[in-house]
Amino acid sequence: SQQGEEDPQALSIQEGENATMNCSYKTSINNLQWYRQNSGRGLVHLILIRSNEREKHSGRLRVTLDTSKKSSSLLITASRAADTASYFCATGSSNDYKLSFGAGTTVTVRA
Amino acid sequence: DAGITQSPRYKITETGRQVTLMCHQTWSHSYMFWYRQDLGHGLRLIYYSAAADITDKGEVPDGYVVSRSKTENFPLTLESATRSQTSVYFCASSELRTGDGYTFGSGTRLTVV
Repeated sequence: SQQGEEDPQALSIQEGENATMNCSYKTSINNLQWYRQNSGRGLVHLILIRSNEREKHSGRLRVTLDTSKKSSSLLITASRAADTASYFCATGSSNDYKLSFGAGTTVTVRA
Repeated sequence: DAGITQSPRYKITETGRQVTLMCHQTWSHSYMFWYRQDLGHGLRLIYYSAAADITDKGEVPDGYVVSRSKTENFPLTLESATRSQTSVYFCASSELRTGDGYTFGSGTRLTVV
């Protein structure tokens, strides 16, 4: 079964608005990562946050992690048409080296 | 070119046939992975490998076989293809044990008719 579950499944916003998506997971983690997938392409690594971190920034991306609630959020600020993609969270444990992915959030940015 | 390459990009095969999907990486990453992506299921792990000659089953290994005789190659074989194996298959590699920053290939779209 999947470890991560993203919410919402789909999101449509206007260019310039912020996009927020959430990820919940079930078991303890070592790190949580977010990936982007453009239509017909492979996944691209965006950002990683470790279990002892609460917030991380990278450009227009902001990730938070709340290990007590087993949840994370990804915020994309000032969205652009090029941000249109599916976004996946993935969790890594300290027991193993594989990542478990959620089903993803599809983001559409309208011009 | 450096990177992770999957071949073929598209494949149509008949039920019952054996088909092999290729994955090649040029970084000498120790860790390699095969995922399948289906609508509504996200990515599900089929097999993974920590090094040459070391492989482990993932979440959905049934009907698949892998080998890793060389660090840079990680082929995935469907022994007798079924329609339920119609999917997009992604190979990924990673340098670090904790799985930091997987790098994915462009995927193989497999259709079993």
